[in-house]
Amino acid sequence: AQKITQTQPGMFVQEKEAVTLDCTYDTSDQSYGLFWYKQPSSGEMIFLIYQGSYDEQNATEGRYSLNFQKARKSANLVISASQLGDSAMYFCAMRDRNTGGFKTIFGAGTRLFVKA
Amino acid sequence: DAGVIQSPRHEVTEMGQEVTLRCKPISGHNSLFWYRQTMMRGLELLIYFNNNVPIDDSGMPEDRFSAKMPNASFSTLKIQPSEPRDSAVYFCASSLVGRGLAGNNEQFFGPGTRLTVL
Repeated sequence: AQKITQTQPGMFVQEKEAVTLDCTYDTSDQSYGLFWYKQPSSGEMIFLIYQGSYDEQNATEGRYSLNFQKARKSANLVISASQLGDSAMYFCAMRDRNTGGFKTIFGAGTRLFVKA
Repeated sequence: DAGVIQSPRHEVTEMGQEVTLRCKPISGHNSLFWYRQTMMRGLELLIYFNNNVPIDDSGMPEDRFSAKMPNASFSTLKIQPSEPRDSAVYFCASSLVGRGLAGNNEQFFGPGTRLTVL
């Protein structure tokens, strides 16, 4: 069965420093996609970054990068040069071919606090 | 683009009442998802549709919950009768799935409906 695990309920980081949010996943499918979303205190879900299982390069989007280690089944999010506005809940998610290929499951989330 | 539109944004009702949540997906998207978010259970997928057809409703908690998608631009999630444990934020999301799993078919979320059942 598919599973997403985020082991860090909360993280603190100093402003302007980098931080890594952990995510491990489990799937028997060879073809899958991994996503990270941000949920600020206002509640909306904001898409950050995507990594396909066949992508050879780690995905990057501005200050966000995804450290994809396929053999370890990990997809950690790295935020460089943290900003106060990065304080939010972060969710790792995975989609595979279960029941038609559209189902996305989410991890429990990691709450990030950026200190000034 | 307007993004995913959900209504109402907030709903307060009494136990036993019927509640209907509404969602308008992004125009051109072919998949629609309903999620429920609570502190205890996190973000749960309730049901999703592809081309207006329900694909997987295994996340729907019980028969009190039902969802419909009569056309490509509208979906409803109904709870009848509502109970206090249904209090949560309900998100609708849509995506364009057509490039297979290798494509970046991220889901675009609506702002959510905060439901409180007294």
